[in-house]
Amino acid sequence: GIQVEQSPPDLILQEGANSTLRCNFSDSVNNLQWFHQNPWGQLINLFYIPSGTKQNGRLSATTVATERYSLLYISSSQTTDSGVYFCAVVYQGGSEKLVFGKGTKLTVNP
Amino acid sequence: NAGVTQTPKFRVLKTGQSMTLLCAQDMNHEYMYWYRQDPGMGLRLIHYSVGEGTTAKGEVPDGYNVSRLKKQNFLLGLESAAPSQTSVYFCASSYGTLPNEQFFGPGTRLTVL
Repeated sequence: GIQVEQSPPDLILQEGANSTLRCNFSDSVNNLQWFHQNPWGQLINLFYIPSGTKQNGRLSATTVATERYSLLYISSSQTTDSGVYFCAVVYQGGSEKLVFGKGTKLTVNP
Repeated sequence: NAGVTQTPKFRVLKTGQSMTLLCAQDMNHEYMYWYRQDPGMGLRLIHYSVGEGTTAKGEVPDGYNVSRLKKQNFLLGLESAAPSQTSVYFCASSYGTLPNEQFFGPGTRLTVL
């Protein structure tokens, strides 16, 4: 099956700093989503981005499908950005099943 | 719209007991999914359904059964709970056609003693 690797596994920032999270995948994908799991466990949809670039406020994401990676940018981080960020993909031939990476744990200190 | 809801939010079972988790969605989505999340890991697919009356196995189906009798509901059953099934269970749904973005419920925290 497809492998989804996220880096870094842990990231600690001061409020106001910028960061880049990376997701590498080992096969062609039909779907790629980024999620934020907040400290209460809720999974929040950030982006549906199988290719191209999208922006939503301080967050943006870019997926280069031909090179099999996606990047999530967080600018001017806030303490409410803390939590775990997951990348998940549906690979071609994998029906509609999302395969998750292990996540990047982000801590933003005041 | 409530989106995707799950019942119950928390449950404690003894080994060997049975229970059913209920997932409901009000977005008229065709596809529904059950995932489990264990500490330090991403989510793994248990079972899924591509339409009313259909179900299929995911990555970790053993010990679970599912039913999709109504389009808006997807039930996950544990016939004889085991401590290895202690986990957080998430339900999700999607349209089934592109863009097939999945939307998740709030989760059910299950402990099996």
